[in-house]
Amino acid sequence: EVQLVESGGGSVQPGGSLRLSCAASGFNFNTFWMHWVRQTPGKGLVWVSYINNDGTSTNYADSVKGRFTLSRDNARNTVYLQMNRLRAEDTAVYYCARDIANSFFDWGQGTLVTVSS
Amino acid sequence: QSALTQPASVSGSPGQSITISCTGGSSDVGSFNVVSWYQQHPGKAPKLIIYEVTKRPSGVSNRFSGSKSGNTASLTISGLQAEDEADYYCCSFVAGVTWVFGGGAKVTVL
Repeated sequence: EVQLVESGGGSVQPGGSLRLSCAASGFNFNTFWMHWVRQTPGKGLVWVSYINNDGTSTNYADSVKGRFTLSRDNARNTVYLQMNRLRAEDTAVYYCARDIANSFFDWGQGTLVTVSS
Repeated sequence: QSALTQPASVSGSPGQSITISCTGGSSDVGSFNVVSWYQQHPGKAPKLIIYEVTKRPSGVSNRFSGSKSGNTASLTISGLQAEDEADYYCCSFVAGVTWVFGGGAKVTVL
């Protein structure tokens, strides 16, 4: 059974940093791209970032480019989203997702990030 | 990248069919057969129900079907059931290796 478990969310002041983790199991992790998608409470889904299977390629939404960094450790079956210079508008539930056919096939349960003074 | 355009809400009676549209442009929906649809119940993570415009993942009801014409993709739910009441989001792959979601459509079963 595929499982994706996010962690690392919490409350942080504007300008602060957080690192989210997504631990994967139930599939051959090092053969799949992975994504982060976020959802502001009560609002829609927004794609944040992707990383390819060996970590050599990433891309980001314009709203987080230069502030967020996505990486992966295939030995630990984990992806990491380092979030710096956080803003109030980054407040959201962050989901990690497994990519199959450029679609988000499997999702974690999400982790809430709150940026507030 | 602007969000894809979906109606805010769609409703139907049990047993009826409804269709949710998803309009993009020439750099996303119009250029790639990589449109996916997600169902999200309140407080839950999204669930993939359609990928590559028309394909259903294993275990998804065949009451859900997808199509595309030009810059507009569509999701049809046939034989509407109470359990189908949820938010539905479309998503497209975009040139430059990014993805864009629609704003979401709330489906109400009357």
